[in-house]
Amino acid sequence: GEDVEQSLFLSVREGDSSVINCTYTDSSSTYLYWYKQEPGAGLQLLTYIFSNMDMKQDQRLTVLLNKKDKHLSLRIADTQTGDSAIYFCADPDTGRRALTFGSGTRLQVQP
Amino acid sequence: EPEVTQTPSHQVTQMGQEVILRCVPISNHLYFYWYRQILGQKVEFLVSFYNNEISEKSEIFDDQFSVERPDGSNFTLKIRSTKLEDSAMYFCASSERGATGELFFGEGSRLTVL
Repeated sequence: GEDVEQSLFLSVREGDSSVINCTYTDSSSTYLYWYKQEPGAGLQLLTYIFSNMDMKQDQRLTVLLNKKDKHLSLRIADTQTGDSAIYFCADPDTGRRALTFGSGTRLQVQP
Repeated sequence: EPEVTQTPSHQVTQMGQEVILRCVPISNHLYFYWYRQILGQKVEFLVSFYNNEISEKSEIFDDQFSVERPDGSNFTLKIRSTKLEDSAMYFCASSERGATGELFFGEGSRLTVL
């Protein structure tokens, strides 16, 4: 089945850029997603990218997709303390018709 | 803004007891899901539900688990005889278009099995 892998932890200083990386195995997906989970809350869609795009920019967020390497990244510019959360990469598992999530990357922003 | 609501937010139960977790999906959504997250681990798919029946289930979703849409609004997850390893946060999600669309998640129900 589908597998999605992420590094577990990233610490940055306020104002720096954060880059969260993800690799996936199912190359047939039409979309790939980034979800954010704040403490004590459910997952919330942050952004997504169509599989025929290499890059998508949305304010402080930039998503990069390398289909050849099956690598997805999320860059947060000018990271703020409010960005501290767990970020999940998600890929629709077309064989399963459900989203498969990575383990999540905990982003810690130091003031 | 419409949202997915889940109850209870936290349930503590004894091993072997039955538990029902409840979810009210967004009203015009057609696809419903349960996921779980054991503390510190991945968010794992349990089951998807469409057109009043299970469309997919994972290997985690064994005979101890069942889902039901008893009326037009609720979507429930039942665990028949809880085990210690069922302790987790259970998330309900709904979607208009299935896995290719955005999934809207509830805030989760934390289940603690003693």
